[in-house]
Amino acid sequence: GQNIDQPTEMTATEGAIVQINCTYQTSGFNGLFWYQQHAGEAPTFLSYNVLDGLEEKGRFSSFLSRSKGYSYLLLKELQMKDSASYLCAVQGGNAGNMLTFGGGTRLMVKP
Amino acid sequence: NAGVMQNPRHLVRRRGQEARLRCSPMKGHSHVYWYRQLPEEGLKFMVYLQKENIIDESGMPKERFSAEFPKEGPSILRIQQVVRGDSAAYFCASSPSTLEAFFGQGTRLTVV
Repeated sequence: GQNIDQPTEMTATEGAIVQINCTYQTSGFNGLFWYQQHAGEAPTFLSYNVLDGLEEKGRFSSFLSRSKGYSYLLLKELQMKDSASYLCAVQGGNAGNMLTFGGGTRLMVKP
Repeated sequence: NAGVMQNPRHLVRRRGQEARLRCSPMKGHSHVYWYRQLPEEGLKFMVYLQKENIIDESGMPKERFSAEFPKEGPSILRIQQVVRGDSAAYFCASSPSTLEAFFGQGTRLTVV
């Protein structure tokens, strides 16, 4: 089975750093994705991890530990426009390599 | 370079009617995925298709729902005899392989 957990909501202050955690238990693993989704819009790709370690891309970084079934998304220098839902998704090992999503973390950035 | 195109963006149907949702993948992408998102929830996988083939439909409800991706034309998600519980956002994603998937803007279905 597939089980992906992430906090439902988080609040942070503009200019600060926030870490969004994701734990997963899946029957197969071909990689972990983070997507950003603003209300009423499509998910947009943020990052992809397949090997253990940290992937940095500008203000956003993503970390993966396969042995622990754990990932986090780190957002630095928060801006108001970062208020959105952040979706953790695991790409499984079955035929389609489709994504299994967590419920998403709704981040509110306050001034 | 057009992205994944879905239409309509918004669809209103009365209970019992049929809903047809269309998805044109990005050029060169042969993998199409459909996901459903209920309000305040994450995306749930429904079906994975390649041209003329359904590869994985493990997330599709057993009745009333069907999907196709013909040799020519868009992928279609079809919901027959819609009920209020079908109201959701339906997202299509396409991929050139089995890595990163690009999402369309979604179709928001409202059943009244």
